[in-house]
Amino acid sequence: DVKVTQSSRYLVKRTGEKVFLECVQDMDHENMFWYRQDPGLGLRLIYFSYDVKMKEKGDIPEGYSVSREKKERFSLILESASTNQTSMYLCASFGRGGTDTQYFGPGTRLTVL
Amino acid sequence: GENVEQHPSTLSVQEGDSAVIKCTYSDSASNYFPWYKQELGKGPQLIIDIRSNVGEKKDQRIAVTLNKTAKHFSLHITETQPEDSAVYFCAASIGSGGYQKVTFGTGTKLQVIP
Repeated sequence: DVKVTQSSRYLVKRTGEKVFLECVQDMDHENMFWYRQDPGLGLRLIYFSYDVKMKEKGDIPEGYSVSREKKERFSLILESASTNQTSMYLCASFGRGGTDTQYFGPGTRLTVL
Repeated sequence: GENVEQHPSTLSVQEGDSAVIKCTYSDSASNYFPWYKQELGKGPQLIIDIRSNVGEKKDQRIAVTLNKTAKHFSLHITETQPEDSAVYFCAASIGSGGYQKVTFGTGTKLQVIP
């Protein structure tokens, strides 16, 4: 079974702090994604990566950056957290050449005070 | 870009009844339509998917139908059970085995009343 893990289930940070969210997948997938999930808005794509050291902006990249130094790990960085970044963050991965299914991690609920 | 609309946003059914969730999409190039179930405290999990060369797909109590002409697809759950209570998301993408951008609907919270 594909396993996608996220470093924290719950995180509380203060405005202005730098925040790191980590995601690891164990299926050697090329593609990895970061979404945020808000009530009534569904899942919105923040950034994705289709290979090591490659990254592309999604639909809502403002205020975020990412890092992909190793194939299995994709990090989301909030350079200076703000209260409007309070949300559920979901990581997903997808393997090239396989099915078109994205596999999701359990999510990190981030609260910025 | 692709736009996916999902209805209803909430749905309550009695145990044993059927539940139907409907989605429409805008990009005629989309050819892969997955449905995800998200239980409380968990990430979304794929429950069924359909490709544009198929009109209907079934897996036990779950079925999905696709109308390419009208650009809409639906999830049908029969004989609902309390464990079906969750948030369901539809999605549309251009799947080719390579990179894909998936556009999600806004979700339907299904409550099955025992």
